[in-house]
Amino acid sequence: DAMVIQNPRYQVTQFGKPVTLSCSQTLNHNVMYWYQQKSSQAPKLLFHYYDKDFNNEADTPDNFQSRRPNTSFCFLDIRSPGLGDAAMYLCATSKGQATYEQYFGPGTRLTVT
Amino acid sequence: GDSVTQMEGPVTLSEEAFLTINCTYTATGYPSLFWYVQYPGEGLQLLLKATKADDKGSNKGFEATYRKETTSFHLEKGSVQVSDSAVYFCALSDKGFQKLVFGTGTRLLVSP
Repeated sequence: DAMVIQNPRYQVTQFGKPVTLSCSQTLNHNVMYWYQQKSSQAPKLLFHYYDKDFNNEADTPDNFQSRRPNTSFCFLDIRSPGLGDAAMYLCATSKGQATYEQYFGPGTRLTVT
Repeated sequence: GDSVTQMEGPVTLSEEAFLTINCTYTATGYPSLFWYVQYPGEGLQLLLKATKADDKGSNKGFEATYRKETTSFHLEKGSVQVSDSAVYFCALSDKGFQKLVFGTGTRLLVSP
C-alpha cells in the first residue's frame, strides 16, 4: 500500500545533541510537510516543500532545518534540541495545492533528556 | 490569523449514543474545512471534508455541514461504536495552498 513512513517512531536525544527525523513516501506526492504536535495541542506546521521549493513558517525557530534530497524522502534536523522541543513530529504529504487531502505518517515521538 | 476552536474533551459516551463535537472557525475568505481522526499510536487520517458553504461531508456514518453564517463545522454521528474512540481534529485550509490550521483536538471515549 502507498503510504507515509516515519522513522524512528520513538527517538530519545540529549539536550543540545543534533537529531534527525526521517520521512519517506510512496505516494509520489509533490508536497511534503513537517508538523510539531505538543501534548494536548494542535499540530503546528513548521515548514513544507513543494517539489524542491522550501517554505518556512515565519515562527519556526532557526534550530529546525529540513532537507528533501528527492521526491520520496524528507528529513527534519534539530540542530540543538532543547527540552521544549520534546513533541510528536508528524510528516504529511499531498498531491499539490488547492484542496488536496494531506496524508499523515504515524509520527515520531521525540524525548529530550 | 486563521484559527479553529473545538470543544474540549474528553467526550465520554456509551455505545449507540449520538455524538456531536462542536467546531467553529475564524478565517478571511472561504476556507475548506476538514475533520481528521487520530487513533491511538497512529497518524492523522482524513475523516471528511467540505470545500464550500452548505456542503455536507460524510464518511463512516460521520457527517458535518459547512455553515458559513455561523462559521461552524460540527461533527455528528447517530450511533457511536467503541471503535470510534479516538482524538478528532477540526481543521481549515487557507485559500490556494493547503496549509492546515488545526483545532486542539477532542478525545472521544466510547464504552460498551
